[in-house]
Amino acid sequence: GAGVSQSPSNKVTEKGKDVELRCDPISGHTALYWYRQSLGQGLEFLIYFQGNSAPDKSGLPSDRFSAERTGGSVSTLTIQRTQQEDSAVYLCASSLPVPGKPYEQYFGPGTRLTVT
Amino acid sequence: GDSVTQMEGPVTLSEEAFLTINCTYTATGYPSLFWYVQYPGEGLQLLLKATKADDKGSNKGFEATYRKETTSFHLEKGSVQVSDSAVYFCALISYTGGTSYGKLTFGQGTILTVHP
Repeated sequence: GAGVSQSPSNKVTEKGKDVELRCDPISGHTALYWYRQSLGQGLEFLIYFQGNSAPDKSGLPSDRFSAERTGGSVSTLTIQRTQQEDSAVYLCASSLPVPGKPYEQYFGPGTRLTVT
Repeated sequence: GDSVTQMEGPVTLSEEAFLTINCTYTATGYPSLFWYVQYPGEGLQLLLKATKADDKGSNKGFEATYRKETTSFHLEKGSVQVSDSAVYFCALISYTGGTSYGKLTFGQGTILTVHP
């Protein structure tokens, strides 16, 4: 079936504007993750969803960042009042947890965000 | 907290050379270990994994052995090809408190370039 998809693939925005990034996980995958890949910080975890709830938001860098997931499927990451340091590639991953087993996270192609 | 340290890159090799990329980790729980690869212009792909001590993960000629005594998971390939040129990330998921999910903690990535 289809893999994880993300949109847009590229986004250029002016400092201070809000942006929304979208992730469509693999069908049936209950777990969804957002990560950020930047030159200075490498790959960082942002937030984890199980179903529609987010038991781990520990990686969100500030209260300008928020995310939601609806219907146990699509997720949106919103960045308000963007700053230049928000420029990065935002990656989404999904997986199907099996109790007691480590499970693979499948990554989307990412959204490259550039804040000017 | 959890952390992953990879050898500094970039690594440049000639085709058919032997490859080692070192990876060491610290983890609060009992981690599962992964190598992800990112080919130019593509998303992150799982290359191989190991779930317990002395397990060997292997795929596409790459191997890595989970060494608990040295907290290491070094990636090796006996004969690299030009098509192996990519960025390689060592990562872990640490399972604690009976949870069966976990965020990936990544190393900083190692750029590999293979010349003909």
